[in-house]
Amino acid sequence: DAGITQSPRYKITETGRQVTLMCHQTWSHSYMFWYRQDLGHGLRLIYYSAAADITDKGEVPDGYVVSRSKTENFPLTLESATRSQTSVYFCASSELDEQFFGPGTRLTVL
Amino acid sequence: GENVEQHPSTLSVQEGDSAVIKCTYSDSASNYFPWYKQELGKRPQLIIDIRSNVGEKKDQRIAVTLNKTAKHFSLHITETQPEDSAVYFCAATLYNQGGKLIFGQGTELSVKP
Repeated sequence: DAGITQSPRYKITETGRQVTLMCHQTWSHSYMFWYRQDLGHGLRLIYYSAAADITDKGEVPDGYVVSRSKTENFPLTLESATRSQTSVYFCASSELDEQFFGPGTRLTVL
Repeated sequence: GENVEQHPSTLSVQEGDSAVIKCTYSDSASNYFPWYKQELGKRPQLIIDIRSNVGEKKDQRIAVTLNKTAKHFSLHITETQPEDSAVYFCAATLYNQGGKLIFGQGTELSVKP
């Protein structure tokens, strides 16, 4: 599991600020994903990427931006954070089936 | 798009009893159904999965069954132990499509010693 890391692990920010969550994997997996986890909603897909420079929206993409210039990195940016974006964010990677999750980032927007 | 419903949302059993969690999915094209376990404060981890060409799969105390006609699949845990206490998520996707998973809402399983 050390093959996929997220930073920071905890972040507190204020409404309206831009914040970027980082995700790095060392397996050279083609696919990477961002999920948010909220009580009562399980894991909801925000964005995913099939390869470098290929990204697509998931279930809840509004308010988020992603990029993937290198295979191993998949940063998630909240352009103007809102309180409703307070959540735990998980990054994941896969090659075919099994997704391997990072340790998560707990984001609080005040 | 795919939608996955999971029941129950909470489940409490006595140690040694069996636990069953059920999921239904909407997209008949889905053919890969994994189950993830998430312990408190930890990341989700795959515990078992099943593909649509198989009706049942077992791995020690856990098993998954799939009914493609009814579009539902279930997780069975036998001889539960306190360390089985966690949140369990089912998911559905198209196999070999990069694992773009749609998750159920989760079941919080509590195993009482």
